[in-house]
Amino acid sequence: DAKTTQPNSMESNEEEPVHLPCNHSTISGTDYIHWYRQLPSQGPEYVIHGLTSNVNNRMASLAIAEDRKSSTLILHRATLRDAAVYYCTLSNFGNEKLTFGTGTRLTIIP
Amino acid sequence: AAGVIQSPRHLIKEKRETATLKCYPIPRHDTVYWYQQGPGQDPQFLISFYEKMQSDKGSIPDRFSAQQFSDYHSELNMSSLELGDSALYFCASSPRDRGDHTQYFGPGTRLTVL
Repeated sequence: DAKTTQPNSMESNEEEPVHLPCNHSTISGTDYIHWYRQLPSQGPEYVIHGLTSNVNNRMASLAIAEDRKSSTLILHRATLRDAAVYYCTLSNFGNEKLTFGTGTRLTIIP
Repeated sequence: AAGVIQSPRHLIKEKRETATLKCYPIPRHDTVYWYQQGPGQDPQFLISFYEKMQSDKGSIPDRFSAQQFSDYHSELNMSSLELGDSALYFCASSPRDRGDHTQYFGPGTRLTVL
């Protein structure tokens, strides 16, 4: 299974953009990149996913490198409610098991 | 909107006992996944079912078994419990046939083995 690598932690000021990086150098051609976030003692929550092109939704944007070996989750305007552990995961064909890495703990500073 | 339901939410068992965790997927979701998250650890995939057939298997101990029933709910059966089985167990469901790649997670069952 391809693995992902993320910084252990990041901090950001409230109402500023946040860029969360992820490396997945062994990604296969059929792996989709998924981002989930998790609050303490809660189940992971879907944020966004993509295959090759950049993606936008109401929660975030996903920028995927041209070689697909890395991606960046962009929160355009962080709020205190965005404080969570963010997981960059890969899923073969997009509908198979999620392989979670260590995640990035995002702290938002008021 | 309906979400994934897991029961029980909390479970305390003694070593060597058995436990059954239940998962009720979102209506019309055909795929169920089970994940285990130990204290301070990241979720690890255990097993998944698509249309009541096992579709993938991860690092699930032989002491564990699971199935998906005709109404699409799933049960994870755990026998000969060990202290190391103490964890949060998450179930997720997905409407694979509709091409939706999102996994919707339930609130989890916290299993404590004493």
